[in-house]
Amino acid sequence: DTAVSQTPKYLVTQMGNDKSIKCEQNLGHDTMYWYKQDSKKFLKIMFSYNNKELIINETVPNRFSPKSPDKAHLNLHINSLELGDSAVYFCASSHTSGGGTDTQYFGPGTRLTVL
Amino acid sequence: QKEVEQNSGPLSVPEGAIASLNCTYSDRGSQSFFWYRQYSGKSPELIMFIYSNGDKEDGRFTAQLNKASQYVSLLIRDSQPSDSATYLCAVSSFGNEKLTFGTGTRLTIIP
Repeated sequence: DTAVSQTPKYLVTQMGNDKSIKCEQNLGHDTMYWYKQDSKKFLKIMFSYNNKELIINETVPNRFSPKSPDKAHLNLHINSLELGDSAVYFCASSHTSGGGTDTQYFGPGTRLTVL
Repeated sequence: QKEVEQNSGPLSVPEGAIASLNCTYSDRGSQSFFWYRQYSGKSPELIMFIYSNGDKEDGRFTAQLNKASQYVSLLIRDSQPSDSATYLCAVSSFGNEKLTFGTGTRLTIIP
């Protein structure tokens, strides 16, 4: 049973298109995250949701819009895709105790390629 | 100055030797420190975390934290070829679930 799952695993699309990536966790966690890992392997947080509420919103273009229909799901929609959006996008989840000590568990990643 | 710094490597260590991975951080308010391992094409997986100054051991892995020097390290004893991966250091602050990652150190264990 996969703990954190993402679909699709690979996404190849043209510049200017709109695409979505889906994430689901079955760990019973209350916080979910989106990270972007660029070609140099630098992993940077984009968004975080706790019980469907946005709690972290880093400096990300507003073409990126997260949506959490319930605490087990966090989707990422990207409008007007640009070449620079090509990266691996990881979803993660954690239980949140408020102490900054909770382990985050990562999904398998979605490799987005914008042509 | 980067918030979390790691030597990008590659770090090459003979099989059976001790691999030492280092990480420094700039935010003195940082409370929690995590080491993740990432194999090529895979997602990061947690190896261990440390909150208190000193050493924490888990099997072949030992994490060391020195908050005064803003330094955290990971030692891997009896290195195996399967330990070859990129090791990511991550830091968070109390009350803040945001993890700030370093750029990772690529470790290669030579048989």
